[in-house]
This record gives sequence, C-alpha cells and structure tokens, in this order.
Amino acid sequence: SQTIHQWPATLVQPVGSPLSLECTVEGTSNPNLYWYRQAAGRGLQLLFYSVGIGQISSEVPQNLSASRPQDRQFILSSKKLLLSDSGFYLCAWSVKRQGAGGELFFGEGSRLTVL
Amino acid sequence: AQKVTQAQTEISVVEKEDVTLDCVYETRDTTYYLFWYKQPPSGELVFLIRRNSFDEQNEISGRYSWNFQKSTSSFNFTITASQVVDSAVYFCALSEPYFGNEKLTFGTGTRLTIIP
Repeated sequence: SQTIHQWPATLVQPVGSPLSLECTVEGTSNPNLYWYRQAAGRGLQLLFYSVGIGQISSEVPQNLSASRPQDRQFILSSKKLLLSDSGFYLCAWSVKRQGAGGELFFGEGSRLTVL
Repeated sequence: AQKVTQAQTEISVVEKEDVTLDCVYETRDTTYYLFWYKQPPSGELVFLIRRNSFDEQNEISGRYSWNFQKSTSSFNFTITASQVVDSAVYFCALSEPYFGNEKLTFGTGTRLTIIP
C-alpha cells in the first residue's frame, strides 16, 4: 500500500532562518506531488506541484521554493523565513491519469511557527 | 478564476442531530470535479467524495449524503445522526479540468464540533 510521510511534524524557527521540509511517498512510482499551506481561516493554498523529477511549478510567488531530487521525494525550502511563512504545510500525492478529478492523498502535515 | 466558498466557519451540534455543511463554487469550466475532504485533529486530510460536473445524482454513504445542484453551484454535505467522531474541519474543493495533475481549489473549511 502507498504511504506518504512528512517531517518534521513541528518546527519553530526564528525570522531569517532557513527552512527545509521533506516529504516522501512509498509504494508508488512517478506520482504527482504537491505542497499546500493551510493558514488560519484561509483554507488550503496550493504552493507548488511537480509532475516529475526536477519539474516544479509554482502557484504563488513567495519566499519559498520546492525541489524534487528523486521520484518520490519533495522538498519545501526557504533561505530566509518570514513571519508570514507560519502555517501548516501539507504534502500530497496523486496518481497520474488521463483526465482530471483524481484523489489527493495527504501527509500528516508540518506545523511551522516563525518567531 | 475558480472559487469555493464555505460560508459556515464553525458549526456546533448536539450528538445525534443532523447537520448540513454548505459549499458554493464558481468556475467557468464546463467540466470539473468537486470534492469533500475531512481533516480530523490529527491534521491529515482524508478524502470523502468526488463528483464530476456531469453527474448530478445525489449520493449517500452510510450517514453521509451529498447534494450536488448545478443550477445553484452548490455541493452540500449532510451528516445524519451525527457522532462525536464526526468532529473535524471539512473542506470542499474544486478541481481544474487539466490532464496530468490535480490542482484543487479549496474552500476555507467548516469546523464541525459534535457535542456529546
């Protein structure tokens, strides 16, 4: 069966420090990968998605970047965190399919607090 | 641009009561998919249902039912005989009809609390 893991689960970082959140999917190959951010009262916002190694699409201009160094690994990074980067970050994956409407499978999330 | 509105920020009901969560969407696409996800206190989102724009049949799964009305651009979710385990944040989402990836637009969520 397929599983998705994110780490760390909780992170408290000072403003200006770097960030690295990691996500790994097991039990499937060539998945589509996604990073969402959930801020209080604002729902889930798609940050990045990837359809393959080294292929990253950014949805929102921001202080963050993403990388996919391996097929089932997705990393969210920042060189210098801002207060506004605080939130709950969710990694997700989906099966590649001909049409849209596929299900997203989410990880447990990483809660980031920037002080 | 796509938009999903969940006007109910928080709802509290007593256990065994029925509760309906509202979802209104906006899209210019003729083909699209609608979803409901549940986020329990553990944090990860759990898929509940998917409905495509050409299927307006209501669906029932146990105590859960969904009412899709294209005429009003709504996709409401009803829990019958609510239980404490139903307490969670529920998200409605809308997908773009593009091949190859699933880009969902989520609503802001409705926090449902079931009071024992």
